[in-house]
Amino acid sequence: DQQVKQNSPSLSVQEGRISILNCDYTNSMFDYFLWYKKYPAEGPTFLISISSIKDKNEDGRFTVFLNKSAKHLSLHIVPSQPGDSAVYFCAGGSNYKLTFGKGTLLTVNP
Amino acid sequence: KAGVTQTPRYLIKTRGQQVTLSCSPISGHRSVSWYQQTPGQGLQFLFEYFSETQRNKGNFPGRFSGRQFSNSRSEMNVSTLELGDSALYLCASSLGGGNGNQPQHFGDGTRLSIL
Repeated sequence: DQQVKQNSPSLSVQEGRISILNCDYTNSMFDYFLWYKKYPAEGPTFLISISSIKDKNEDGRFTVFLNKSAKHLSLHIVPSQPGDSAVYFCAGGSNYKLTFGKGTLLTVNP
Repeated sequence: KAGVTQTPRYLIKTRGQQVTLSCSPISGHRSVSWYQQTPGQGLQFLFEYFSETQRNKGNFPGRFSGRQFSNSRSEMNVSTLELGDSALYLCASSLGGGNGNQPQHFGDGTRLSIL
């Protein structure tokens, strides 16, 4: 039972444009949600989080949107930069445990 | 500020052996979590410790165990290794207080290969 799903294995965008990464979840008990990015041979790096009682959180170029009725969250990166190329994971958190999606490979082309 | 440190970075074992992995959290962090990453299953939660107590555990067999010391450092142990235990094992730390809803910060992992 995959509680967190990232349905797009990959996404390619042009430098300077917006990147939108999507995530769906089934577990209504998640208290908060997080996005991580991962480069090869490194651990995931925390990007941004959002409480389940909020619908938007912004940090610099990164904005996360949460739609609880649709059980959907998205990460917007504006403007996208070549250094943003990485695998992005969304995760739901509850009871000291994170449940991860399988990731989306973002490629930002110069 | 030093990040999460995991040792060793790489490990090769044979079936039936046992292994111990180590994790030093970010200074001041009292919660340590462990995850297994494989190509097929992605990142899966193993267990979480806070103040030397396990607060949550994932769906892994009893061969996987962990502990946390009074200085918040943590170890995980896998006994009777199987080929399917080959994976990247990631440790993450967070402040851990309250309801635990804080970001977890990851180390670079230990790559375990079973021959």
